[in-house]
Amino acid sequence: AQSVTQPDIHITVSEGASLELRCNYSYGATPYLFWYVQSPGQGLQLLLKYFSGDTLVQGIKGFEAEFKRSQSSFNLRKPSVHWSDAAEYFCAVGDPGSARQLTFGSGTQLTVLP
Amino acid sequence: GAGVSQSPSNKVTEKGKDVELRCDPISGHTALYWYRQSLGQGLEFLIYFQGNSAPDKSGLPSDRFSAERTGGSVSTLTIQRTQQEDSAVYLCASSPANRGSGYTFGSGTRLTVV
Repeated sequence: AQSVTQPDIHITVSEGASLELRCNYSYGATPYLFWYVQSPGQGLQLLLKYFSGDTLVQGIKGFEAEFKRSQSSFNLRKPSVHWSDAAEYFCAVGDPGSARQLTFGSGTQLTVLP
Repeated sequence: GAGVSQSPSNKVTEKGKDVELRCDPISGHTALYWYRQSLGQGLEFLIYFQGNSAPDKSGLPSDRFSAERTGGSVSTLTIQRTQQEDSAVYLCASSPANRGSGYTFGSGTRLTVV
């Protein structure tokens, strides 16, 4: 069975600092990988996705993520955090070529200090 | 429609009452998913519809929970004899058959059982 671990429940960074949110997955092959962001009272918005090819993927809002097969990781990064990035971030995995449900991590809450 | 629409956005109900939550997916999306998000928790998969196939109900927590999808479009999640532990945000998402663009989530229904 596939699973996702986000080891950091809560991260605090200062505005303008760099950010890295960790995501590790368990899956038999290379899964589809996603990062979503959820602002308070809102649904989840897709930031970026990895299906195959270049292991460094670019997303919206200046985010990027790198797929590392050897480490079963898909960490999310941003070079300079803005106050509006404060939100909860979810990593998810899914079966390639299938629309079956995604498995989500438990989320990382990001606080941005002025 | 342009996005996934969920109604109501908030629902307060008395313990023991039945509730119905509605999801209107993006037009043309053949896959529809229901997830539950409890306070401080990740997303718990409930049920998945794909076209005319039998739904995957493997995530439904008890037989008090049921869902249907009429005409391959609108879906209703029904919770019978609600309990306080059913209090959560119920999120609906839809995707194309191959999920190439990932899920699109609705804003959710916040259910409070008092």
